[in-house]
Amino acid sequence: GIQVEQSPPDLILQEGANSTLRCNFSDSVNNLQWFHQNPWGQLINLFYIPSGTKQNGRLSATTVATERYSLLYISSSQTTDSGVYFCAVEPDSGTYKYIFGTGTRLKVLA
Amino acid sequence: GAGVSQSPRYKVAKRGQDVALRCDPISGHVSLFWYQQALGQGPEFLTYFQNEAQLDKSGLPSDRFFAERPEGSVSTLKIQRTQQEDSAVYLCASSLAQRGRYEQYFGPGTRLTVT
Repeated sequence: GIQVEQSPPDLILQEGANSTLRCNFSDSVNNLQWFHQNPWGQLINLFYIPSGTKQNGRLSATTVATERYSLLYISSSQTTDSGVYFCAVEPDSGTYKYIFGTGTRLKVLA
Repeated sequence: GAGVSQSPRYKVAKRGQDVALRCDPISGHVSLFWYQQALGQGPEFLTYFQNEAQLDKSGLPSDRFFAERPEGSVSTLKIQRTQQEDSAVYLCASSLAQRGRYEQYFGPGTRLTVT
């Protein structure tokens, strides 16, 4: 089955710093989403981005489907950005279910 | 508007007990998914409904797990004769799944602890 790898696995930033999180997938995909899982466990939708580039405030994301990767950019990080970031992909087989990546655990220090 | 809701939020069960976990999807969402998240891991797919039809149950770990969505709205995940390895957070997600809107929205989860 499809493999979804995220890097880095762990990241510690000082408040105000910028970062780039990466998601590599081993096969073509129908859909891709980025989520932030906050310390209370809630998965929050960040981007639905099977291809192209989107921006939402301090966050932006780019998916290059032909090269099988997606990037999440966080600028001017805040302590509330702490948590685990997951990318999730729907394999290009019409299965509808998401395969989640390994996650990046982010801690932003004040 | 209302998001996906799940109940109970926390459940402690003695080994061997049966449990039932409820999911209320976003109104009008056709697709509904159940995922299991073990501590420190990403969510893993359990089962998928399109309206009331269960189209994929390939992720259910054993025949002790059963899910239903009889009227195409609320869904229940039932675990019979719970075992310690069933301890996890159970997440429900729903999706409009039409008109180009395929993103999944997740509920807060039910944390199940089997003692």
